[in-house]
Amino acid sequence: GESVGLHLPTLSVQEGDNSIINCAYSNSASDYFIWYKQESGKGPQFIIDIRSNMDKRQGQRVTVLLNKTVKHLSLQIAATQPGDSAVYFCADDSGGSNYKLTFGKGTLLTVNP
Amino acid sequence: ETGVTQTPRHLVMGMTNKKSLKCEQHLGHNAMYWYKQSAKKPLELMFVYSLEERVENNSVPSRFSPECPNSSHLFLHLHTLQPEDSALYLCASSPDLNEKLFFGSGTQLSVL
Repeated sequence: GESVGLHLPTLSVQEGDNSIINCAYSNSASDYFIWYKQESGKGPQFIIDIRSNMDKRQGQRVTVLLNKTVKHLSLQIAATQPGDSAVYFCADDSGGSNYKLTFGKGTLLTVNP
Repeated sequence: ETGVTQTPRHLVMGMTNKKSLKCEQHLGHNAMYWYKQSAKKPLELMFVYSLEERVENNSVPSRFSPECPNSSHLFLHLHTLQPEDSALYLCASSPDLNEKLFFGSGTQLSVL
């Protein structure tokens, strides 16, 4: 079946460095993509989203890049801070609608001081 | 705080118990959701309500029974669960369907 997955289960970076978290998706019909951050003991928190008619979208210290040719999504975090340590999930609407999101398993980002 | 409150935060129950999870949102949203998050598995959508009407029942066993008495409250009634049902149960809300989800902190459920 269709699925959203992640290339790396864990990522460790130094404070101040840039982080890149990758995600592969398999449904070429996916139109909407979203990144969530989940800190320990908390629920997922929205970070940024992008639609398939865009290649790039920027937020505060975060950028999402979408490459539809290879069905690849990435989240870039600039000047990573200890507070960025969390599990990051990508999701898409391959379930058929925005509310039926298909989530990846997550990447654990650890920021070393 | 996200505006979505779940209680209890932790729950341990036997397989013959009946318990309920509660979710309350203070955001004025019209849609509410239950998700299951198991270790090393992706988030799984269980139920979706829009304006108190169930719009999705994602092949969830009948031992899980949702209830949405109004647009601010959502319950998940649990009955004769199995150990494999142990997981983090997350509630979410959104202004309407197809809009951004706001998650609660979840109820960590352990079934013995």
